[in-house]
Amino acid sequence: DAGVIQSPRHEVTEMGQEVTLRCKPISGHDYLFWYRQTMMRGLELLIYFNNNVPIDDSGMPEDRFSAKMPNASFSTLKIQPSEPRDSAVYFCASSPIAYEQYFGPGTRLTVT
Amino acid sequence: GENVEQHPSTLSVQEGDSAVIKCTYSDSASNYFPWYKQELGKGPQLIIDIRSNVGEKKDQRIAVTLNKTAKHFSLHITETQPEDSAVYFCAAGDSNYQLIWGAGTKLIIKP
Repeated sequence: DAGVIQSPRHEVTEMGQEVTLRCKPISGHDYLFWYRQTMMRGLELLIYFNNNVPIDDSGMPEDRFSAKMPNASFSTLKIQPSEPRDSAVYFCASSPIAYEQYFGPGTRLTVT
Repeated sequence: GENVEQHPSTLSVQEGDSAVIKCTYSDSASNYFPWYKQELGKGPQLIIDIRSNVGEKKDQRIAVTLNKTAKHFSLHITETQPEDSAVYFCAAGDSNYQLIWGAGTKLIIKP
């Protein structure tokens, strides 16, 4: 298996623009997690899905953030409009049983 | 809610020596304790984990110990090598199947 795939790997955008991050989980994994990592706040769980259904989105910072999982092999995290404080590395992780999480390579987002 | 504290934030050891990273957690209901290694520019990688019904687990040069009474667990790396240099994260699995993460330890292996 290729592991968790994320795209793009790097994204630079201007404040106010819409940003869409993409994730393909490992086949057969029922859980999908979106994290944000910054030096100041470390790893933060934003939202997670079980069998394509959002279970807990309490970590989503604001209404500007939204996530979808239309099928078992694809998820998106959207920020609209983006702000400089959204600059971070965003990770997607998948898991067969919730606890054992396997991370993708991340998307480094820079909002200018 | 659950809180996980990790120490030290930075650890520098001589190549070949052992390294120990410690974590404490607050929720006695936590029952899963993984350790992740993150290399520069990569995502965290699961390297070892332990469940609450086990006191110790080893995998080659890496071992994890758990003391449920004291609510702390530790990562032990023996015979450290340059490729062990990375940031290590501990986590605790809560009853909602979420991982609560420590702040990370930057491990530096000096040649």
